[in-house]
Amino acid sequence: GDSVTQTEGPVTLSEGTSLTVNCSYETKQYPTLFWYVQYPGEGPQLLFKVPKANEKGSSRGFEATYNKEATSFHLQKASVQESDSAVYYCALTGWPNYNVLYFGSGTKLTVEP
Amino acid sequence: DAGVTQTPRHEVAEKGQTIILKCEPVSGHNDLFWYRQTKIQGLELLSYFRSKSLMEDGGAFKDRFKAEMLNSSFSTLKIQPTEPKDSAVYLCASSLERGLAEQFFGPGTRLTVL
Repeated sequence: GDSVTQTEGPVTLSEGTSLTVNCSYETKQYPTLFWYVQYPGEGPQLLFKVPKANEKGSSRGFEATYNKEATSFHLQKASVQESDSAVYYCALTGWPNYNVLYFGSGTKLTVEP
Repeated sequence: DAGVTQTPRHEVAEKGQTIILKCEPVSGHNDLFWYRQTKIQGLELLSYFRSKSLMEDGGAFKDRFKAEMLNSSFSTLKIQPTEPKDSAVYLCASSLERGLAEQFFGPGTRLTVL
């Protein structure tokens, strides 16, 4: 079945350092890939999505490239800020219900000043 | 526009009780999802409705969990009877019916079963 595996957390970084959260996926279809972010006390919210292989998505300084050959979708940011502290989820669409999302286990990021 | 509304925000139940969680989706959204969120299992899909029709029902949750869409703007999740292992955050999300539409999540209901 469809599945997503991402970096085990928690991850703690200092402000100004770079971030990489690894995400790998398994599916027999051609999925759309997503990154969601969840702040404390809130539900997840979409960071960005990429529907096509070899394309890049980005938002708020975060970016990820849909790598079909490597079945990966790693999240990166060059310089994190304290306000980036949150839980990050990688997800893909399911089949046959293309509106159903399958989420990874989440990676909790804490950025220290 | 109002986002997804969930009530209550917190619920404490005794083992064996029946609890009902409520969700109001974003106005105009036809797809509605219920998820369970725990630290160990992460986000798990419980139910998925399209225009009030049940499209997907999480197999592992069928026996004590029942989600319903009473109308296009209101859904409930009933857990009967509750067990301590049901302690989790229950999230409701909605989206437009078109493919690959963004899901908008509510703030969740934190359930504690004693």
